[in-house]
Amino acid sequence: QKEVEQNSGPLSVPEGAIASLNCTYSDRGSQSFFWYRQYSGKSPELIMFIYSNGDKEDGRFTAQLNKASQYVSLLIRDSQPSDSATYLCAGGGSQGNLIFGKGTKLSVKP
Amino acid sequence: DAGVIQSPRHEVTEMGQEVTLRCKPISGHDYLFWYRQTMMRGLELLIYFNNNVPIDDSGMPEDRFSAKMPNASFSTLKIQPSEPRDSAVYFCASSLHIGSYSGYTFGSGTRLTVV
Repeated sequence: QKEVEQNSGPLSVPEGAIASLNCTYSDRGSQSFFWYRQYSGKSPELIMFIYSNGDKEDGRFTAQLNKASQYVSLLIRDSQPSDSATYLCAGGGSQGNLIFGKGTKLSVKP
Repeated sequence: DAGVIQSPRHEVTEMGQEVTLRCKPISGHDYLFWYRQTMMRGLELLIYFNNNVPIDDSGMPEDRFSAKMPNASFSTLKIQPSEPRDSAVYFCASSLHIGSYSGYTFGSGTRLTVV
């Protein structure tokens, strides 16, 4: 059973702090990983993807991938109240569909 | 592009009734996915299509669920008869490729309530 595991949270951080969201996956065949943000009552929105070991930065967001440890993370620097949402991690192989984690709820307090 | 379009946005129906959810994928996307989201189980893949052909329906919970894609711009998910445990948000998503680095684009979802 291919699985993606996330801590459900809620993760609470003060405004301006770094939020760290983590994800582990079971399928070693997974090649690409995605982070989606989902606001309450809305649909998931893609914010980052990563497929190489190491870090990938996009503005305040940094995705990190460690294939040896089967670990993916998302760092949000200078967290804002508008970042409060559920963050979904998803992994997929070149031949398979995306498998989603259940998401981590992030709350950024002003 | 208008994105993935789903209808209706909300559906309230009585147990035993037939429910039909509709989806229009992004033009040019070869893959279409139907997901169900609940608090307990998160996002679950129900079925996906490639070029209008169903590829994997192993996530369809029961024979009460069926999905069709008669052409590249339209898909339906039907539940007959509906039950209260089917209450969830149903998302349609589309993608250029199944392993695409662009990920999936989701529609706004249909919130289904079966009473």
